[in-house]
Amino acid sequence: DVKVTQSSRYLVKRTGEKVFLECVQDMDHENMFWYRQDPGLGLRLIYFSYDVKMKEKGDIPEGYSVSREKKERFSLILESASTNQTSMYLCASSLFSGAGNTIYFGEGSWLTVV
Amino acid sequence: EDQVTQSPEALRLQEGESSSLNCSYTVSGLRGLFWYRQDPGKGPEFLFTLYSAGEEKEKERLKATLTKKESFLHITAPKPEDSATYLCAVRSTDSWGKLQFGAGTQVVVTP
Repeated sequence: DVKVTQSSRYLVKRTGEKVFLECVQDMDHENMFWYRQDPGLGLRLIYFSYDVKMKEKGDIPEGYSVSREKKERFSLILESASTNQTSMYLCASSLFSGAGNTIYFGEGSWLTVV
Repeated sequence: EDQVTQSPEALRLQEGESSSLNCSYTVSGLRGLFWYRQDPGKGPEFLFTLYSAGEEKEKERLKATLTKKESFLHITAPKPEDSATYLCAVRSTDSWGKLQFGAGTQVVVTP
C-alpha cells in the first residue's frame, strides 16, 4: 500500500512564526503535491514537485515555499504565518504524470495560526 | 480554465435509500476523472478513475459513470458507514499531473 505520512497532525502557531510541514512517501513516487482544504472551497493546489529539487507553483502559492531535497520528502514552508493560513494541509504523491496515474493523499495537517 | 462543480452540496439519506451525486466538469481535454471519499479529519481516499464517456466502475455499493460533461456517483442501498464527503477531480491534457477538485458532496446516511 502507498503510504504518505505527514509528521504533524495538529499545530498551533503564532502570527509571524516560520512553519514547516513535513511529508514523506514510501513508494518512490516522482511527483509530490501540497494542497490546502477549506470549507466550501475544496482542495486548492499550493505547490508541486516532479523531481528532486524541482518545484512548480500551483494555484495559490503566495505566502508559501517548498523544499524537496530528497525524492521521498516534500516540505511546505510558511515563511511568516498569518491567520488566513489557518487551514487543513494535505500532502499527496503520484508515481508519474501519466493520464491514469493516481494521486494518493496523507492524513492531513491541521494548522491554526493565532 | 478547468472547472469542476459538484451537486448537491449535502445529502441526507435513510439507510437503504439509493441516490446519485453529480460532478459536472469543463476541461480542455479530459485525461481522467477521479472520485475520492473523505472521512472527517482525514485525507481523501481514492475510489475510482474514469477515462472516457460511457465508462463505468463499481465498488461495493458505489458505481461511477462518465459522460462527456459530467460524472455520477450512484450509491445503492447505502449504509451508515457510507457517510463521508465525496470529492470529484479532473486531470486535463494541459494540467500536467495535477488534479482540479470540486468542493465535494457531504453524504450522511442515517439508520
